[in-house]
Amino acid sequence: RKEVEQDPGPFNVPEGATVAFNCTYSNSASQSFFWYRQDCRKEPKLLMSVYSSGNEDGRFTAQLNRASQYISLLIRDSKLSDSATYLCVVNGGRAGTALIFGKGTTLSVSS
Amino acid sequence: NAGVTQTPKFQVLKTGQSMTLQCAQDMNHEYMSWYRQDPGMGLRLIHYSVGAGITDQGEVPNGYNVSRSTTEDFPLRLLSAAPSQTSVYFCASSYYRGVDPGELFFGEGSRLTVL
Repeated sequence: RKEVEQDPGPFNVPEGATVAFNCTYSNSASQSFFWYRQDCRKEPKLLMSVYSSGNEDGRFTAQLNRASQYISLLIRDSKLSDSATYLCVVNGGRAGTALIFGKGTTLSVSS
Repeated sequence: NAGVTQTPKFQVLKTGQSMTLQCAQDMNHEYMSWYRQDPGMGLRLIHYSVGAGITDQGEVPNGYNVSRSTTEDFPLRLLSAAPSQTSVYFCASSYYRGVDPGELFFGEGSRLTVL
C-alpha cells in the first residue's frame, strides 16, 4: 500500500460549487499533515496544515480522522483560480522525518 | 528574498554523463530535501537532510548522491545519467522542529532530459 493515496480526479466543477478531496495514509505514527497546491508547471506551495481538531481558512476546510487515517479538504464556493492540483502530504519515512506526497488530485473549475 | 534557488533550470544530458543539480537556501533552514516529479507518479522523495553532515535516503535514492557540508547548500549528483532520470527535480527546505519538517519551501524546479 502506498504511504499516501489520493483520488487523482480530475474533478471538473462549475464556479460556486463545493468540492471535497480525500486522502488516506498508511503510517499510523504520522503526526504532521498538510495540503499543498501546485499550479501547472510550478512548484508546490503550502495551502494549509491539518490539525486534529480540524481547521478552516476562508473557503477551505481541512479535517483529520486519525482512527481511519484519513484527511480531507473541502473547498466551498469554488473560483476559477482554484483550478490546480492539490497534494496531500504526511510525515513518514523510516524515522518519520520525511514528508511524503500523494500523487495529487486535479481540480478544474469552469465558468 | 531569494528563498530556495535551484540551478540549472533546464539541462539536457546524454546517457552516462554525470552532473550536479545545485540547491541553495538563505532562510537558515535545517531541513532540505530533493524530490522528483514524473507524470502520474507525483512527487517522490530522493534524499533529505536534517542538518549539515546528516543525510538520509528517501523513496527513490538509486542513481543519486547528496552531501550537506553547509546549512545553505544541498547538491544532488547524478552519477551516470539514464533516460529513466528524465524528470522535474524540486529542492525544498524547511525549519526542522525536532520531530518532523514544517512548511516546505520549494525551488522553481530543474527540468532534466536524458537522451
